[in-house]
Amino acid sequence: GAVVSQHPSWVICKSGTSVKIECRSLDFQATTMFWYRQFPKQSLMLMATSNEGSKATYEQGVEKDKFLINHASLTLSTLTVTSAHPEDSSFYICSARGVKRGGYNEQFFGPGTRLTVL
Amino acid sequence: KQEVTQIPAALSVPEGENLVLNCSFTDSAIYNLQWFRQDPGKGLTSLLLIQSSQREQTSGRLNASLDKSSGRSTLYIAASQPGDSATYLCAPYSGAGSYQLTFGKGTKLSVIP
Repeated sequence: GAVVSQHPSWVICKSGTSVKIECRSLDFQATTMFWYRQFPKQSLMLMATSNEGSKATYEQGVEKDKFLINHASLTLSTLTVTSAHPEDSSFYICSARGVKRGGYNEQFFGPGTRLTVL
Repeated sequence: KQEVTQIPAALSVPEGENLVLNCSFTDSAIYNLQWFRQDPGKGLTSLLLIQSSQREQTSGRLNASLDKSSGRSTLYIAASQPGDSATYLCAPYSGAGSYQLTFGKGTKLSVIP
């Protein structure tokens, strides 16, 4: 079954509004959580990395004031797209790293959130 | 900076055929490597995880090999089925301060019934 959940699975919003996406690790504690975005027919691009209780580390070119990340606990991280614009429309995927099976540190991915900004 | 190349970019095969997907990466200092599949509009499903000390991993009809020194991994799919149609992504995990996966662009597989 799924080990990482995301909510919502899709969202449509008006330009200028803010959208929050939740990511939860199920049945394991995530030492680190990651947020990716994926444009059509492109690979995943890492946006930011976050550890519980500390500030997220953003990749070059990603605006930290626009994409707010809160890693409140070992099982929950949120991404808030502030003042969304049509160019922010994308598929956002979260990922959680932790030990779930076989004793290995592994990265698990959520099902993704399709954001459409009108 | 780790760079990942997957060949071919797209592959179409008849049902029942065995096939190999290739992945190469530039930085061989990896902890492990994961293969994922992604269905259209969906997230990623982890298929296999190979530790850097391992040579291969098997799960059902899937077999992944890793040659860390040469920066290569292959995913072998036996007796392909239409349900295998998806994009397959290879992602080496580079630790040592860069605790993240680096993704290739993937191989889009179509298995024709």
